[in-house]
Amino acid sequence: QQQVKQSPQSLIVQKGGIPIINCAYENTAFDYFPWYQQFPGKGPALLIAIRPDVSEKKEGRFTISFNKSAKQFSLHIMDSQPGDSATYFCAASIETSGSRLTFGEGTQLTVNP
Amino acid sequence: GAVVSQHPSWVICKSGTSVKIECRSLDFQATTMFWYRQFPKQSLMLMATSNEGSKATYEQGVEKDKFLINHASLTLSTLTVTSAHPEDSSFYICSANPFTDTQYFGPGTRLTVL
Repeated sequence: QQQVKQSPQSLIVQKGGIPIINCAYENTAFDYFPWYQQFPGKGPALLIAIRPDVSEKKEGRFTISFNKSAKQFSLHIMDSQPGDSATYFCAASIETSGSRLTFGEGTQLTVNP
Repeated sequence: GAVVSQHPSWVICKSGTSVKIECRSLDFQATTMFWYRQFPKQSLMLMATSNEGSKATYEQGVEKDKFLINHASLTLSTLTVTSAHPEDSSFYICSANPFTDTQYFGPGTRLTVL
């Protein structure tokens, strides 16, 4: 059973645009929600993460919005650049489960110059 | 900080041979490391959780006799693909967490079985 659903599957924006990637989860026990960025042939790199006690977290051009009641969270990339073109994965875990991550399906982002 | 390395970065082997992939935490100790498998344009699939000093915990459907995991020290875990076949060709990625929850991933190992 897929516990974290991610959308859209792919996304194309122009430079300077604000792509938004959405994730929804089912397990209310999840208490840690990271986003990873992956370039082709590379391992995922941690971008930003949030816990359910806050509704928004911002680090540089990346912002996570979190809606606990709706069991949804999203990634916003401000002033997107062609170098942001990559695959983005949301994930969720339960702290007491030893950090076992459940990943979304991934979103392939293309930022055109 | 929080750097995870993998070796080799890519490997090509003949069908029936075994391949060992190393995962190291370079600047922290990791009692737990994770092994993932990723097919092209797909998400990461957790294969097993590697625990230092004890047996690995495998996910449902993962053959423990085929994918041998050894967590020899607090900075090293190895994945051995035994009797590899072309269907084992994939991108293998390990991760470790120096702090609770935050997982850092290695650069991955591309395995091609001929």
